This record gives sequence, C-alpha cells and structure tokens, in this order.
Amino acid sequence: SAVISQKPSRDICQRGTSLTIQCQVDSQVTMMFWYRQQPGQSLTLIATANQGSEATYESGFVIDKFPISRPNLTFSTLTVSNMSPEDSSIYLCSVAQANTEAFFGQGTRLTVV
Amino acid sequence: GESVGLHLPTLSVQEGDNSIINCAYSNSASDYFIWYKQESGKGPQFIIDIRSNMDKRQGQRVTVLLNKTVKHLSLQIAATQPGDSAVYFCAEKGVGGGADGLTFGKGTHLIIQP
Repeated sequence: SAVISQKPSRDICQRGTSLTIQCQVDSQVTMMFWYRQQPGQSLTLIATANQGSEATYESGFVIDKFPISRPNLTFSTLTVSNMSPEDSSIYLCSVAQANTEAFFGQGTRLTVV
Repeated sequence: GESVGLHLPTLSVQEGDNSIINCAYSNSASDYFIWYKQESGKGPQFIIDIRSNMDKRQGQRVTVLLNKTVKHLSLQIAATQPGDSAVYFCAEKGVGGGADGLTFGKGTHLIIQP
C-alpha cells in the first residue's frame, strides 16, 4: 500500500482567505482523488486530479472554488478558495492504481472562523 | 477531537460477539465494492473488497457479502474486539461522472461494549 502524507494536518482559517492542502505519495500512482468529509458525515468525492491536465469535478464542485493541481504522479494540491464557515470539513487525499482499492491520507481538518 | 460518528447510525455489540454491518448501494451498474474502517482522527482504512462477479469474500475475521438483486452489501466481523470500535463505510465504484472515484454510504458507528 502507498504511504500518503497530507499537509497541513489541521488549520484554523479566517473567512475569505484560501488554504492549499498538499498530498504527497511515496510511489507513483495512477489516480489521485480529493474527498470532503463534513462533520459527522460520510465522504464525498470532490474531484479526480489528472496529471498534466485539468481535474475532473463532481457535481456540486467547481474549479474556481476548489482548484486542483497534479504536476506529477506523486503529488497533488487542493485549494479551498474564499473560505466560509460552511467549508469547515476534513479534506482527504486518496490514491489508487487501476482496478485496486483506494488508500487514504490522514486528512486535513479545516475550521473556518 | 471531533467524532466522525456523531450523526451516524450506531451499532453496539458485546466484545466477543459477531457484528453485522449493512449497506444499501445506489447503482446496479457498480462493479466494485469496498469496506473501510475510520477511527477517530484518522483517514479511512481499507478492510476488504469484493467485485460484482462474486457474492462472498472472506478475510481475517471479516466477511463481505454482496446481494446484487437487492443492491445490498454487508460486513461481518467475527469475535469483535475493542479495537474494532470505529465508523465503517461501504463504498462503490463505477458511479457518477468520476468513474474511478468512490461513492460512499452513510456509515455505521460500531461500539464494542466490554
């Protein structure tokens, strides 16, 4: 299984600001994803991070709010832009190879005040 | 820290008993299913998976059953231990626009009573 490191592990941010979350994997992976887990809820897929091209966003999530980069096969970033208290969640990076299970990082716990 | 199980259904079982956690999935076209365990303050941890061409798969102390007719998935944990206390999520693949991403169920908070 891949080892996934997310930074920061947690943060408290002022509304209106932006936060960039980093996801580093210890090996090259085919697929990288970003999920959101609101307090006491399940996980929701935000987008698939595509290497060298624009991310593929799920319904309800847009690039202007959640810009994503994936410059190579081991690294991706998710930015939460113009934050409001409703953005307070755990943001999780996930990786997978073709036809295998997905592994998750420990998550970034974001609180917007 | 915050509890991911705060608003989720709860299953409470005695230590040593068997647990069965159920999940209904949404799309009959889904071809791959996974159970994850999430402990407080951690990311989801893979437990066991099953593909749509199977109806049962066993691991160490865990069994997953798949009933495609009624779109139902279950996770059986044998001889539960205190370390099994966590939130359990089923997930399906092959749904929605991101074909390789996972769609998660609501989750069940499993509590092991001593």
